[in-house]
Amino acid sequence: NAGVTQTPKFRVLKTGQSMTLLCAQDMNHEYMYWYRQDPGMGLRLIHYSVGEGTTAKGEVPDGYNVSRLKKQNFLLGLESAAPSQTSVYFCASDPQGSHNQPQHFGDGTRLSIL
Amino acid sequence: GQQVMQIPQYQHVQEGEDFTTYCNSSTTLSNIQWYKQRPGGHPVFLIQLVKSGEVKKQKRLTFQFGEAKKNSSLHITATQTTDVGTYFCAGRNTDKLIFGTGTRLQVFP
Repeated sequence: NAGVTQTPKFRVLKTGQSMTLLCAQDMNHEYMYWYRQDPGMGLRLIHYSVGEGTTAKGEVPDGYNVSRLKKQNFLLGLESAAPSQTSVYFCASDPQGSHNQPQHFGDGTRLSIL
Repeated sequence: GQQVMQIPQYQHVQEGEDFTTYCNSSTTLSNIQWYKQRPGGHPVFLIQLVKSGEVKKQKRLTFQFGEAKKNSSLHITATQTTDVGTYFCAGRNTDKLIFGTGTRLQVFP
């Protein structure tokens, strides 16, 4: 049981390049989330999904797109990377956005935009 | 929008000293969760508080939820080097969590 798996773990991009971050969970969780973490700013929600085929904007959605074609996968896309998107990206999931369930996090993707 | 602030941002203590981090929300919370993130790691769930005035303990860690359900605290008694990391509170807002800014704890042996 791997939990939440993120790929890649590290990536360096040039400004303007595109890429997709992959998140997979094997816990049959309904809800999935993408956060970015920057020094002194905690975890900020980018986008989230309440189930297969659904997505919703979080606190800082601009410059990112997401897709949830399969329940176990949540993809985060950067269409045209900018240096301001240099960050550590975490994916998380929980069973049903329930009030009594913790979120399970992946190990993170460290992304640098030059 | 809802904001969750934590103080202090950083805390350096000598091993054996106590440590407290405070979490304050701009709105009433249905519950609050606490997470710990070790350096280079990912956030790991510690505990959840639901009831007004609730106090929970995990060994040397004591968690408290305010009477108005707008603030919370985490107190660590007699810190150890294994307590090093960043502690986040997170308040529930409908179907998503709003994370606090975190308190980074450094413990010197």
